[in-house]
Amino acid sequence: DGGITQSPKYLFRKEGQNVTLSCEQNLNHDAMYWYRQDPGQGLRLIYYSQIVNDFQKGDIAEGYSVSREKKESFPLTVTSAQKNPTAFYLCASILIGGTEAFFGQGTRLTVV
Amino acid sequence: KNEVEQSPQNLTAQEGEFITINCSYSVGISALHWLQQHPGGGIVSLFMLSSGKKKHGRLIATINIQEKHSSLHITASHPRDSAVYICAVRLSGSARQLTFGSGTQLTVLP
Repeated sequence: DGGITQSPKYLFRKEGQNVTLSCEQNLNHDAMYWYRQDPGQGLRLIYYSQIVNDFQKGDIAEGYSVSREKKESFPLTVTSAQKNPTAFYLCASILIGGTEAFFGQGTRLTVV
Repeated sequence: KNEVEQSPQNLTAQEGEFITINCSYSVGISALHWLQQHPGGGIVSLFMLSSGKKKHGRLIATINIQEKHSSLHITASHPRDSAVYICAVRLSGSARQLTFGSGTQLTVLP
């Protein structure tokens, strides 16, 4: 079955460490997105990619990095430069020109 | 002004009550999604709508494209329905493609 997979569901890291969140899809979708959610707030766009080897900053890209070496994969690295990394992170993918969007289950990152 | 507005922000209901959550948007869209997020848990996609109405079990979602409005209804609500419900719209003609409402926190009391 086609879908989008985020891993892990829960992640704990020590302050100052970089951490990479995984997002994989087997839907042959062109575009992939990363969002961040803080308690009591809506989802905000971190980065997005519409094509392999290309990506764009969203509204809150500082302290994050991404890569899109394969169509299926769009990993997000939370770097030590991110001041408040503890949050819920959501990955999504869409087929450009279509109507559907698929959402990962999300990763809850806690930095201690 | 947010492109997607949800109401109410918080909703408390008694078990068995009929619940309605609203989503209004101000932009052109190609589709609208309703998502469910349980406390401490992940996101579950409930519905995708381009027009009309969809039903799955006790959940019903409707959309009125002309009025730019969608509703999510829960019939015979149950405590396990307690979650955050999020409206997301697929934007027409935008590279960013998706915009989310801020969510509705639903609590159903036994």
